[in-house]
Amino acid sequence: EVQLVESGGNLVQPGGSLRLSCAASGFTFSTYWMSWVRQAPGKGLEWVANIKEDGSAKYYMDSVKGRFTISRDNAKNSLSLQMNSLRAEDTAVYFCARGTGASHWGQGTLVTVSS
Amino acid sequence: DVVMTQSPLSLPVTLGQPASISCRSSQSLVSSDGNTYLNWFQQRPGQSPRRLIYKVSNRDSGVPDRFSGSGSGTDFTLKISRVEAEDVGVYYCMQGTHSPPWTFGPGTKVDIK
Repeated sequence: EVQLVESGGNLVQPGGSLRLSCAASGFTFSTYWMSWVRQAPGKGLEWVANIKEDGSAKYYMDSVKGRFTISRDNAKNSLSLQMNSLRAEDTAVYFCARGTGASHWGQGTLVTVSS
Repeated sequence: DVVMTQSPLSLPVTLGQPASISCRSSQSLVSSDGNTYLNWFQQRPGQSPRRLIYKVSNRDSGVPDRFSGSGSGTDFTLKISRVEAEDVGVYYCMQGTHSPPWTFGPGTKVDIK
């Protein structure tokens, strides 16, 4: 069974940093693109970033370029999102999703940016 | 970026009756490889999104056959043949043809009359 388990969400002050993790199991992690998608409170879904199977290609939404970094460790079946210079508008539940078609999603982790 | 729109944004339905959600894209979603990367997701209250349909009309494993997807080019539809109580939630379309970025529709909230 495919499982994606996010962790690392927390309350952080504006300008602060946070690192999210996603532990994958039940599939061959190294053969799938992986993505982060977020959902602000009461709002819709918004793609944030994705990363190729071997980590050789990474893409970001415009508003997080230069602030967020997606990475993966295929030996540990793990996906990460390093978030720096956080803003109030980054407040959201962050989901990791498998593949370019988002076939499977984790339960999400809440990031709150507030003073 | 491709803009995705959905209608209606709110859909009250009667149990056992059909329901239909429209999704439109600002440009054709036919890819250079001939595929159309248009997916549908269901998000029940308090849950993570779940993919129902991929590449316009392919149902994911475990998805009831009362859900069906159709369409082409820029116009797509998700249909529920007979709505059940467990179908309450928000439904999103998403395009992956012109990515990055993936873009999602605003969502259609389905609830019971």
